Formats: sequence, structure tokens, C-alpha cells
Amino acid sequence: DTGVSQDPRHKITKRGQNVTFRCDPISEHNRLYWYRQTLGQGPEFLTYFQNEAQLEKSRLLSDRFSAERPKGSFSTLEIQRTEQGDSAMYLCASSRSGGYNEQFFGPGTRLTVL
Amino acid sequence: QQQVKQSPQSLIVQKGGISIINCAYENTAFDYFPWYQQFPGKGPALLIAIRPDVSEKKEGRFTISFNKSAKQFSLHIMDSQPGDSATYFCAAPPNTDKLIFGTGTRLQVFP
Repeated sequence: DTGVSQDPRHKITKRGQNVTFRCDPISEHNRLYWYRQTLGQGPEFLTYFQNEAQLEKSRLLSDRFSAERPKGSFSTLEIQRTEQGDSAMYLCASSRSGGYNEQFFGPGTRLTVL
Repeated sequence: QQQVKQSPQSLIVQKGGISIINCAYENTAFDYFPWYQQFPGKGPALLIAIRPDVSEKKEGRFTISFNKSAKQFSLHIMDSQPGDSATYFCAAPPNTDKLIFGTGTRLQVFP
């Protein structure tokens, strides 16, 4: 257990529905990252926060995706109007800021869109 | 220029053998090279990392070899054990804010 928790661990939804995932980082980490991992691939960067500020978004993050970190602690990732291509593992990671610090990953939320 | 290319895709090694996984990158600005280990149902976990000012780093049975001129780095697992069976990812950061991962190598160590 890395100290990063994600909820839910699994989510099955029908195409067109909205889903929301939550990530609780390690408490003293001010950076929080979201990645997406599909079967047989490495994690792909989606977005990251420093405290409550969202500082970078990947082009993979279409306008159906939104992420928030309202108080600089936990974060949520919402996908609206889900598509089958959204099926993946969504990983959250946290780290300290300043230089290359180890990113600690949570166990992920596996999304299946039917 | 942002890619990290990893090989092989899968690797089968007998217990006690040496596992070698290779990665190549294009962007010479990369200056931190971590390796992550991922077990089924878990997120990736940092295994070992190297900065380009050294050519090798060893931690227990795990060694990173780095060739700056060839823009390649590799992970060597000595005395491979069945518990090492996992998927391994090399990575590199285009900046301090995110990681670019390779496609992964699924390692299976048979007793």
C-alpha cells in the first residue's frame, strides 16, 4: 500500500453515462497526477495539480473529461458521456514538488464502458 | 521526440537467470530515468532510478545501465526470482511535472 487510495476500484457503466472517480493522495504531497493505462500499454499522462491549481492537461484529456482538486487534498476525475474508448485503468499518483520526486501510484480505478 | 521505446514486450527467464530489459529515448533533454514495477491489480511502483551523470546504478539485484551517447538505458535483474514476475516500465520525464512511460515488458520467472 503506497498511501494513495482510489475509489471506486472498479466501475462498469453504459455508454453515455457520466462517471466520477476519486483519489486521495499522500497527505504531505502537494502534487497530484492522473494517468490512463490501457491493456498492454504504459500509463499515459492526463493532467496534474500542484495544490489546487491544475497546471497541465494532455491533449488526451478531451472536453468530456474534467478534473478538480478543490482544497489541494483529494481530487476527482469526471468523464461525461462515456464512450467505449474510455475503458481503461485510471491511475492517480502523488509526489512532493521540486525536482524529480518519486511518484507514488494508487491501485487505480478500472472503468468498463458497455 | 517524446517517446520512450521499450523492448522486449515479454520475457521468460528461469529462476536464477538474468533478466534484461532495454529502453531507448530520443529527447536529449531527458535527465532522469526511473524504472517502475507493476503487479496485477496494483499501480506501478518505483523500483530504481538513475540520473545521466552516472553510467550505472545498482540496488540489490537490480541494476540500471545508462549509455548517454546511444540514448539507451537498461534494467538488469540478477538472480531472477518467481516473485519478480511482473510488468516493468521504463520512463522519462520531459520536465519535472510528468512521466512518459514505455510500453512495458511482462517478465515471467519460472522456478
